[in-house]
Amino acid sequence: DAGVIQSPRHEVTEMGQEVTLRCKPISGHNSLFWYRQTMMRGLELLIYFNNNVPIDDSGMPEDRFSAKMPNASFSTLKIQPSEPRDSAVYFCASSLEFGQGDYEQYFGPGTRLTVT
Amino acid sequence: SQQGEEDPQALSIQEGENATMNCSYKTSINNLQWYRQNSGRGLVHLILIRSNEREKHSGRLRVTLDTSKKSSSLLITASRAADTASYFCATYNTNAGKSTFGDGTTLTVKP
Repeated sequence: DAGVIQSPRHEVTEMGQEVTLRCKPISGHNSLFWYRQTMMRGLELLIYFNNNVPIDDSGMPEDRFSAKMPNASFSTLKIQPSEPRDSAVYFCASSLEFGQGDYEQYFGPGTRLTVT
Repeated sequence: SQQGEEDPQALSIQEGENATMNCSYKTSINNLQWYRQNSGRGLVHLILIRSNEREKHSGRLRVTLDTSKKSSSLLITASRAADTASYFCATYNTNAGKSTFGDGTTLTVKP
C-alpha cells in the first residue's frame, strides 16, 4: 500500500484565495483525521470522520474551514477565504477503526501551506 | 490546552547514550501512544500502551505508564543518529472520543 496520500505537498497562495487540500486514506481504513501543525500551537486535530461521516469538527477554527469525505477513498479540506494565519502544515491521517483509540494512526506526508 | 505535555522540550545526547522523554496528562485515559516525527515528515506510530499496562517494549524502545501519576515515559536505549526526531505522546480518552497530542520532545543524537 502506498500509505496516506496528500496533495499538493506545497501550496503557496495569496490572502483571500480558496485553498483545497486533498487526502486519500489507506484502503480499508474507516477513520480519517485532519490535523494542523504550527510552531505556536503544535499539532491540532481539526476534524475526523468515521465511515465517511464527520464525528467531531470542534477543532475547525472557524467557518472559513470546511471538510468533506464523499467516499471512503477521498477527503478534502477547504479554506475559503485563506488568511496568512492559516499558514501551517496540514496532515491527513487514517486508522483502521474508530472507537477505543486502540488503532494507530497512519499519517500522510503533509501539505505545507503558505498564505501571503 | 493539549492533554499530553512532553518533557523535556528538547534533548541533546551523544550516540550510544540512552534518551528518556516524559509525558504527563490531566484526565483519565484508555491508552497512550508514542509517535515519532522526522523533520519535514508525517508522524509515525511507535508503540501503544493501554491503561491497564505498566510497561511495554519494542526493540530499543521501552515505555512505562503510571496512571496514578498520570505520566508515561519513553526510553530509547543505545541511541543512534537516526533517532534524531521529535517524539509525541497521544492520549486517548473515551469520553472525549479522540486522541490528543502533546507538544513533543525534540531529540538530537550527535554522532
